[in-house]
Amino acid sequence: QVQLVESGGGLVKPGGSLRLSCTASGFTFSNYYMSWIRQAPGKGLEWVSYMSGSGNFIYYSDSVKGRFTISRDNAKNSLYLQMHSLRAEDTAVYYCARDTEVGSDFWGQGTLVTVSS
Amino acid sequence: QSVLTQPPSVSGAPGQRVTISCTGSSSNIGAGYPVHWYQQVPGTAPKFLIFSNTNRPSGVPDRFSGSKSGTSVSLVITGLQAEDEADYYCQSYDTSLSGRVFGGGTKLTVL
Repeated sequence: QVQLVESGGGLVKPGGSLRLSCTASGFTFSNYYMSWIRQAPGKGLEWVSYMSGSGNFIYYSDSVKGRFTISRDNAKNSLYLQMHSLRAEDTAVYYCARDTEVGSDFWGQGTLVTVSS
Repeated sequence: QSVLTQPPSVSGAPGQRVTISCTGSSSNIGAGYPVHWYQQVPGTAPKFLIFSNTNRPSGVPDRFSGSKSGTSVSLVITGLQAEDEADYYCQSYDTSLSGRVFGGGTKLTVL
């Protein structure tokens, strides 16, 4: 069965960095686009970034462009999100999701990132 | 401000029918990009509910359905149950933003 497990969240000071990981199992990881989607406390969902299976196509939302970097290691069935210059408004639960042509069909349980001094 | 507009809240009694709208524009729904729906029970990850406007993934009860008209799509839930109380999000692609977008979400309360 498809499983996505995020890790790497935590408390970080404004201006700091953090690297999130998502480990996938139960499907051929390299065949799928993968996304990072976040949800600030009490707020709605926001697409942060997504990447094609080969890594050739990458998208970033304007709110994180230039600060966050998405990457993947298909040999390790893993997706990453390197976050720099973190701000209070980056505080959120970050979800990893598997993408298909018709939506994100599987989601991880999320990892909480808190940016606070 | 989301490019896809949803009502903040809807409610209904058990057994009733509720509709949640998702209104876009010519750069997303009106351009023919499909809309997908997700259900999020508080404290849990979103769940894939409807894809390509009207289709249900396997395992989703047929009480959930979708429809499209012009630049709007709707999620319809019939035979409302207490377990349906959740937040519902629509999602599509927007050419102006060159990326995927979510609606602001709708909180469904089962009375």
